[in-house]
Amino acid sequence: EPEVTQTPSHQVTQMGQEVILRCVPISNHLYFYWYRQILGQKVEFLVSFYNNEISEKSEIFDDQFSVERPDGSNFTLKIRSTKLEDSAMYFCASRQGANLYGYTFGSGTRLTVV
Amino acid sequence: AQKVTQAQTEISVVEKEDVTLDCVYETRDTTYYLFWYKQPPSGELVFLIRRNSFDEQNEISGRYSWNFQKSTSSFNFTITASQVVDSAVYFCALSEKGFGNEKLTFGTGTRLTIIP
Repeated sequence: EPEVTQTPSHQVTQMGQEVILRCVPISNHLYFYWYRQILGQKVEFLVSFYNNEISEKSEIFDDQFSVERPDGSNFTLKIRSTKLEDSAMYFCASRQGANLYGYTFGSGTRLTVV
Repeated sequence: AQKVTQAQTEISVVEKEDVTLDCVYETRDTTYYLFWYKQPPSGELVFLIRRNSFDEQNEISGRYSWNFQKSTSSFNFTITASQVVDSAVYFCALSEKGFGNEKLTFGTGTRLTIIP
């Protein structure tokens, strides 16, 4: 069963530091996403990415956030200057194409900002 | 705007009982997709089912079944003969048919505890 792989599984960072969360989507998937889940809350959409550009972003995805697909396999989320409230589980997801088949999530990166 | 409501915050049942998790959605689109995901204590999101708005047939997969009713905008999930391994948070999610950016809107989840 193809998987979306996320690294690291857990990251602790100091407030104000930059952090990069990494994801390897399923190889033949075309659409990529980042979602966030603050502890005990629901999963929230951050950003979608297709054809090497952002196709939609939420209000949460402000100027501190950026995404990149640097080499055709990795998909990264960068937070430039982390805040305490950025502490959350971050999920990467990918899907193949039409009709939302195979909308698959990675196992998440738990980010703790101290 | 799309919205998903899971009114049951927490449910506890004794093992082997049947349990139904409710999901009510709102959308203005005629084409949309509904999902259920399981989040066990380890934290990952496990895909359970995807259903499009044109397919109102109920689905059964082992002990799991789903009841999709467009008339009441509901997509409920039933676990038959529950087991301790079913203990998790269950999320219902909705996506409208867009132009490539089909994001999922999640409900707030239902925490299911199966008591041995």
